[in-house]
Amino acid sequence: GAGVSQSPRYKVAKRGQDVALRCDPISGHVSLFWYQQALGQGPEFLTYFQNEAQLDKSGLPSDRFFAERPEGSVSTLKIQRTQQEDSAVYLCASSYGTSGTGELFFGEGSRLTVL
Amino acid sequence: QQQVKQSPQSLIVQKGGISIINCAYENTAFDYFPWYQQFPGKGPALLIAIRPDVSEKKEGRFTISFNKSAKQFSLHIMDSQPGDSATYFCAASISPWGFGNVLHCGSGTQVIVLP
Repeated sequence: GAGVSQSPRYKVAKRGQDVALRCDPISGHVSLFWYQQALGQGPEFLTYFQNEAQLDKSGLPSDRFFAERPEGSVSTLKIQRTQQEDSAVYLCASSYGTSGTGELFFGEGSRLTVL
Repeated sequence: QQQVKQSPQSLIVQKGGISIINCAYENTAFDYFPWYQQFPGKGPALLIAIRPDVSEKKEGRFTISFNKSAKQFSLHIMDSQPGDSATYFCAASISPWGFGNVLHCGSGTQVIVLP
């Protein structure tokens, strides 16, 4: 597709449920990022992939958060045993290269609401 | 802790007026300072960016002013239009991009332009 595609756009989960959020980056983009955006706040870094390798997961808030990109294209962010504080918009972004001034292209996000 | 501080949280300006958003950072290793524009329900989109070797960059009605010694930078929106009504995020990052373009974002400024 022309842009970064995320699904589902909206997800309501009961506390304790597991959720999976999908990101389909721009074709050919090597770098893929997940950010978490709480209401009224700026995006905060979660994790970064270069192709299929997860090079930085320092932003994942707990071991309930897990991300993968097994074939170097589509990525999934999984949240286990969701808690109310997980409610946020999860943004995926991709860029072409691994160095230089590669612009980040963001998807529209997946809004997660945990009841 | 928040590495990029942004103010104001919101501002209202009349059509044709000037919107000014300010950001400050502490980490002197930052060398890439983008601004993102985000409309409701959409992902952030790169608006304009600057590197610390210049003090000002202008693209159309949008200007970034950069003060390296003060570790501050600001976005000026000239001749503000109702279509500029959005949330604006400043951000900072470090090159090279080997670990990905990890953006440290400000908390955002909601700009409302009155017709």
